[in-house]
Amino acid sequence: QKEVEQNSGPLSVPEGAIASLNCTYSDRGSQSFFWYRQYSGKSPELIMSIYSNGDKEDGRFTAQLNKASQYVSLLIRDSQPSDSATYLCAVNQPTTGSNSGYALNFGKGTSLLVTP
Amino acid sequence: IAGITQAPTSQILAAGRRMTLRCTQDMRHNAMYWYRQDLGLGLRLIHYSNTAGTTGKGEVPDGYSVSRANTDDFPLTLASAVPSQTSVYFCASGAGGGTGELFFGEGSRLTVL
Repeated sequence: QKEVEQNSGPLSVPEGAIASLNCTYSDRGSQSFFWYRQYSGKSPELIMSIYSNGDKEDGRFTAQLNKASQYVSLLIRDSQPSDSATYLCAVNQPTTGSNSGYALNFGKGTSLLVTP
Repeated sequence: IAGITQAPTSQILAAGRRMTLRCTQDMRHNAMYWYRQDLGLGLRLIHYSNTAGTTGKGEVPDGYSVSRANTDDFPLTLASAVPSQTSVYFCASGAGGGTGELFFGEGSRLTVL
């Protein structure tokens, strides 16, 4: 099983600060990377996807990818208390077996707490 | 409202009983997945289906079976439940291939006593 590693946290940042979430992966052949947000007791929801090296910005969120270092990060600018959630890094990887395809391999998530 | 529907949302089950978790999507996605989520272990893939009529095993398939008779439905069956299967189960669907964007159901919380 290829690994996707995240610091479990909790990561605590004050309101208005930048939250930086990090993820490393072991499969050098991976091409697609995702960040999901999961509020307590809820299902994961996609917030960012990134496929190429560099930065991708969407509103207050920026995803960063460095395939050479096998590293993905998510920056949340102007953090709000409503951003408090668990953030899941996911890597799209081929499945094994006769019916091959792709499935997301998730890290264990980083808990983010934004304090007022 | 388009999306994924899971049922039941919560269930307490005696060990040894058979249980089927239902999952239906109306987005005409080819690929469907079952994950379980446990504290400290994250989301782990149980079974998947790339298209109707095909299924495959994920990371933790033992004790579970699935079927994919049509595009919309992807039930997960526990033939004889054990306490270690106590978990939150999420069904997800996506277009398949390398896109990776998955849409999740609201989850089914299962407790096996």
